Amino acid sequence: NAGVTQTPKFRILKIGQSMTLQCTQDMNHNYMYWYRQDPGMGLKLIYYSVGAGITDKGEVPNGYNVSRSTTEDFPLRLELAAPSQTSVYFCASSSDRLRPSGANVLTFGAGSRLTVL
Amino acid sequence: AQRVTQPEKLLSVFKGAPVELKCNYSYSGSPELFWYVQYSRQRLQLLLRHISRESIKGFTADLNKGETSFHLKKPFAQEEDSAMYYCAPAAYSGAGSYQLTFGKGTKLSVIP
Repeated sequence: NAGVTQTPKFRILKIGQSMTLQCTQDMNHNYMYWYRQDPGMGLKLIYYSVGAGITDKGEVPNGYNVSRSTTEDFPLRLELAAPSQTSVYFCASSSDRLRPSGANVLTFGAGSRLTVL
Repeated sequence: AQRVTQPEKLLSVFKGAPVELKCNYSYSGSPELFWYVQYSRQRLQLLLRHISRESIKGFTADLNKGETSFHLKKPFAQEEDSAMYYCAPAAYSGAGSYQLTFGKGTKLSVIP
């Protein structure tokens, strides 16, 4: 039972390069999320998706793009990497929209540590 | 603006001592509140949720609306409690859905 799988675990980029962080889940979850966590800070939502073909911006979407062509995959693309994007990126999923009851909680991936030099 | 504050970056306690991890929030309306935990070399995972009034691994969290706090408590700390703890209010984002906001986290270190 893999859950949420993120690749790569670590990556170093030069300024201006682009890359894609991969996220896949095998739980048939409709909702998927991308968060970033800067050193000493909390997680901030970048983008989320409520199902295949539907994505929406979170709190900090600038400099990123996402797509959701399948239920399983939710890649995060960085175009023109900048030092400000040095962070740990977490992908998460939930079976349904978050509810006040907490009945649908987030399942997290292990994280991807990105450094932009 | 919606804010969540965990004032302590690091909290060290001796094994068997009581633990209190502080969380204060500044939200309009009545957010739902969660605590997430990340043990060493493990993934971030849900610890407990306010609405369930549950006790998980001996931890409880009381919502104090007057003080807008949701502190996490445990009467007797164990070494296996050492981890990063994140307070996460969930605010309504429309269409019956909620979005989580995470605090900066508190690293709990339990000294044997």
